[in-house]
Amino acid sequence: NAGVTQTPKFQVLKTGQSMTLQCAQDMNHNSMYWYRQDPGMGLRLIYYSASEGTTDKGEVPNGYNVSRLNKREFSLRLESAAPSQTSVYFCASMREASLGSNQPQHFGDGTRLSIL
Amino acid sequence: GNSVTQMEGPVTLSEEAFLTINCTYTATGYPSLFWYVQYPGEGLQLLLKATKADDKGSNKGFEATYRKETTSFHLEKGSVQVSDSAVYFCALSLLPGGYNKLIFGAGTRLAVHP
Repeated sequence: NAGVTQTPKFQVLKTGQSMTLQCAQDMNHNSMYWYRQDPGMGLRLIYYSASEGTTDKGEVPNGYNVSRLNKREFSLRLESAAPSQTSVYFCASMREASLGSNQPQHFGDGTRLSIL
Repeated sequence: GNSVTQMEGPVTLSEEAFLTINCTYTATGYPSLFWYVQYPGEGLQLLLKATKADDKGSNKGFEATYRKETTSFHLEKGSVQVSDSAVYFCALSLLPGGYNKLIFGAGTRLAVHP
């Protein structure tokens, strides 16, 4: 039972390069999320997808785009990477965002991204 | 706005010591509250949750009680182990616009030594 799988685990980019972070879940969840984790700031929501075919901005969407490719997959793209985007990125999924606020989110192991 | 404030770490304890990690929140409406734990090199895992006032969440010896009057959800454990060393995140969840989103505190690193 893989849960939420993120690829790659590590990546180093140069400023201006583009990159797509991949996320897939095998729990048949409807809702998926992308967070970034920075020291002393906890996790901040970048984008989320309440259901297949919908995406919405979170707290810190600038510089990112997302694609909900199908129910399983939710990718995060950096079109022109900047050093401020150096962070650890986490993908999460939840069964159904609209059913209630007491559901847990299930997280992947993260992608550590460094931008030089 | 909605926010979560946790005590700053790191918290360093000896094995079998009592643990308290403070968490307070600000929220419009009636949030659900969570504690997540992150072990080194891993993603976050749900540790416990409480969905309404006076609820107590518990798991693996950890407990937290949803206190509406003090807007708090402090994490406690009576006797910590070395294996409890991790980063602990307090979070709240609301349904603005009908879609569930988590708001996290900054995290508290716990180090337990033998």
